[in-house]
Amino acid sequence: DSGVTQTPKHLITATGQRVTLRCSPRSGDLSVYWYQQSLDQGLQFLIQYYNGEERAKGNILERFSAQQFPDLHSELNLSSLELGDSALYFCASSGDRGVAEKLFFGSGTQLSVL
Amino acid sequence: GQQLNQSPQSMFIQEGEDVSMNCTSSSIFNTWLWYKQDPGEGPVLLIALYKAGELTSNGRLTAQFGITRKDSFLNISASIPSDVGIYFCAGQSRGGTASKLTFGTGTRLQVTL
Repeated sequence: DSGVTQTPKHLITATGQRVTLRCSPRSGDLSVYWYQQSLDQGLQFLIQYYNGEERAKGNILERFSAQQFPDLHSELNLSSLELGDSALYFCASSGDRGVAEKLFFGSGTQLSVL
Repeated sequence: GQQLNQSPQSMFIQEGEDVSMNCTSSSIFNTWLWYKQDPGEGPVLLIALYKAGELTSNGRLTAQFGITRKDSFLNISASIPSDVGIYFCAGQSRGGTASKLTFGTGTRLQVTL
């Protein structure tokens, strides 16, 4: 158990809908990262938050947004969903600003857009 | 986004066999990481490499940082059923942070008895 909690584990929705994925980092970790893993693809970095502030942005679509709350949990909002958004979405946390070796991943949310 | 070329894409081996996989990049990296993703779980760090030519072991796993700094290799000796999963490499440039990690496409390992 990495200590990073993601909910829900599975999500099935329809095109055009909006969903929210939730992540609770390990206790004490200030950084939260969101990744997308499509079929047969590696992890694609979406966005990072550090102590409530956006720290780095990757290949995140404008239809997607995220935030980190004062209790350090984070939410990834996906709107106007398309079939191609179907993927496994991972959250990871770390205690500092970005030492890669200290990243701990959650179990992911499997999103299926029908 | 940028990705590393990882090969093979998948492997079907028998228990007890040794496994080799590699990762190549067109860019130089200063850190190479190897992760394993079990079915239904997130990636877990196996080995971290920091220096060209470095050879590091973690139990039955051995990884090497290529001399050119553009590749890395992972070997698993005497495979067992719990080795099943997807193995990812990841590269990080000098001064880069976790947000700048580039991940490989993964090698899916199946172990038969």
